[in-house]
Formats: sequence, structure tokens, C-alpha cells
Amino acid sequence: DTEVTQTPKHLVMGMTNKKSLKCEQHMGHRAMYWYKQKAKKPPELMFVYSYEKLSINESVPSRFSPECPNSSLLNLHLHALQPEDSALYLCASSRQRVETGELFFGEGSRLTVL
Amino acid sequence: GQQLNQSPQSMFIQEGEDVSMNCTSSSIFNTWLWYKQDPGEGPVLLIALYKAGELTSNGRLTAQFGITRKDSFLNISASIPSDVGIYFCAGLNYGGSQGNLIFGKGTKLSVKP
Repeated sequence: DTEVTQTPKHLVMGMTNKKSLKCEQHMGHRAMYWYKQKAKKPPELMFVYSYEKLSINESVPSRFSPECPNSSLLNLHLHALQPEDSALYLCASSRQRVETGELFFGEGSRLTVL
Repeated sequence: GQQLNQSPQSMFIQEGEDVSMNCTSSSIFNTWLWYKQDPGEGPVLLIALYKAGELTSNGRLTAQFGITRKDSFLNISASIPSDVGIYFCAGLNYGGSQGNLIFGKGTKLSVKP
């Protein structure tokens, strides 16, 4: 079982809706990540938080807004999305934002934008 | 930017056969990793390699960090049905950030019982 928990598992939203994806880990990891994955493609990095501070934003449109309330929680707020934003959104964590590449992924939230 | 060429794109094999897949790059990496993703789940780390020439095993899986630091391979021996999934290689450079973790495009493995 994964130790990174994502909710909801599935989300369907209209282009005018506001929704949020949530991620939680209790492994004491200090770095957390959001990735976007389209079908048959590798994960693409969106955001990195280190010690609850945003350290990387990979030029993600402002309709995606990340938030890290504490070291265990990571949210992704969604607003005015487009159908092409439909994808699997993966949360991941690592001990620290150091260069090991060892990420623990959640099961993902599958988002459909109508 | 940096790219990883992962091959093959897909494999259809019989249960019990051995599997080999590899990843190459025109750039040098300090770390090579192999992840597996089952349908409907997130990727899971299988093996991490930190030293050129390193050969590491994890059960039936064996991976090597190429001596040139530009490639890595993953072997699976005596495949079983639960080996089905997508295998991603990933390369990482030091001195940057986790943003420098580059994923290959994946190898989809299908195992026929």
C-alpha cells in the first residue's frame, strides 16, 4: 500500500468549477511534488515544495494553484480548467529536496474536465 | 533539453521468459532509477543506481548504471503475470533540483500466461 494518499481518486468537473485535489503523507518527508500524467506518457513535473515552500513551478498555468499547509499536506486548487487538462495528477514525496530521485508516489487523482 | 530514449516501447512475452529494456541519453546522469507503474496506480521505485558501472539486484530484477553514465538497463528474469505494467527509467543530475529528474517514455510489458 502506498504511504502517499490522494483524494479524490476520480474527479469530473466543468470548465467553470472550482475544485481541489488533496495529498497527504506521514513519512516525515520534507519535499512534496505534483506531477501531471497523460495517457501513455511519463509523469511531467508541475510543482515542488520543500519545507513547505514552493521551490519549483514548471511554468504551470495559473488555473492550477498549489498549496502546502504543512509538511504532511499538499493541495492543488483547480479553477477554470480546460478539457486538455484532463489527466492523472500524481502527488509524490521524498525525504528532502535533495538529488536522489527516490520519490514515493500516490495512486493519483484522475481528473476529467468537461 | 535532456531526453531519455527508452526501448523497446512495448514487449509481449511468454511467462517465464527473461526481459531486457534499456535507456540511453546524449547527456550524462549522476543517478539512474527504474520505476514501475501498474494500471490505475502511481509509479513505484524498483531500483536506484548511484555509481557508474554499478549493478544492483532486487529479487528477479537487475539493473546497471552504464560506465559512460549515459545509459542504464533493466533485466527481469523468469517473468510472471504480475510483472505486467509500464516501466520508466529516470535520470537525475546533481547540482540542480528534483526538477532535473527526467523520465523516459516507458516500456509497456505484457506477459502471456
